[in-house]
Amino acid sequence: SQQGEEDPQALSIQEGENATMNCSYKTSINNLQWYRQNSGRGLVHLILIRSNEREKHSGRLRVTLDTSKKSSSLLITASRAADTASYFCATDAWDSGGGADGLTFGKGTHLIIQP
Amino acid sequence: EPEVTQTPSHQVTQMGQEVILRCVPISNHLYFYWYRQILGQKVEFLVSFYNNEISEKSEIFDDQFSVERPDGSNFTLKIRSTKLEDSAMYFCASRNSGGGDTQYFGPGTRLTVL
Repeated sequence: SQQGEEDPQALSIQEGENATMNCSYKTSINNLQWYRQNSGRGLVHLILIRSNEREKHSGRLRVTLDTSKKSSSLLITASRAADTASYFCATDAWDSGGGADGLTFGKGTHLIIQP
Repeated sequence: EPEVTQTPSHQVTQMGQEVILRCVPISNHLYFYWYRQILGQKVEFLVSFYNNEISEKSEIFDDQFSVERPDGSNFTLKIRSTKLEDSAMYFCASRNSGGGDTQYFGPGTRLTVL
């Protein structure tokens, strides 16, 4: 089954507008992380939200998590041209046994900020 | 700020050749990971490593792959006999604990198999 599916696949907005990206997943998780990737570059960690949290803020970023719906959203407020990138959610299903589980990534949302 | 580093940034090799991708995780981290991203596709987990042994591996991580932590700082991914479909960006990641903490990713090595 697919885990961490983002929508929309692509989003184009004007600079200054807010951008909202959604992520859905299927299995139980311990936390959900959002990453940004500029074209052909590495993954930059943005924010981590744990399964017992509902909302988290970091600068212009706001992340929500609804475990009952198995979904998360990432809101970027007052977007800038430099926010143009692909955004991925990644779920961490680490269990209490301490296993070093890998993250499961979605396909990403490609965000374009028009100047 | 500490960061994960990877070398080389780009590796070109002939099909059937062995390649070793190198990573230096953040120094006080205990868990290490390799992921790959085929062009235009999502990032896929390959393997995790803890306490000098593989902790978990995906179906992608078959017998042609191996990982090693040869010393206190490096973490390597070896592909024994590369195939065309191994062409991808390979990311190393590390984290401090297994308790669901943030994984920090390196900049990646772009592997091109000809």
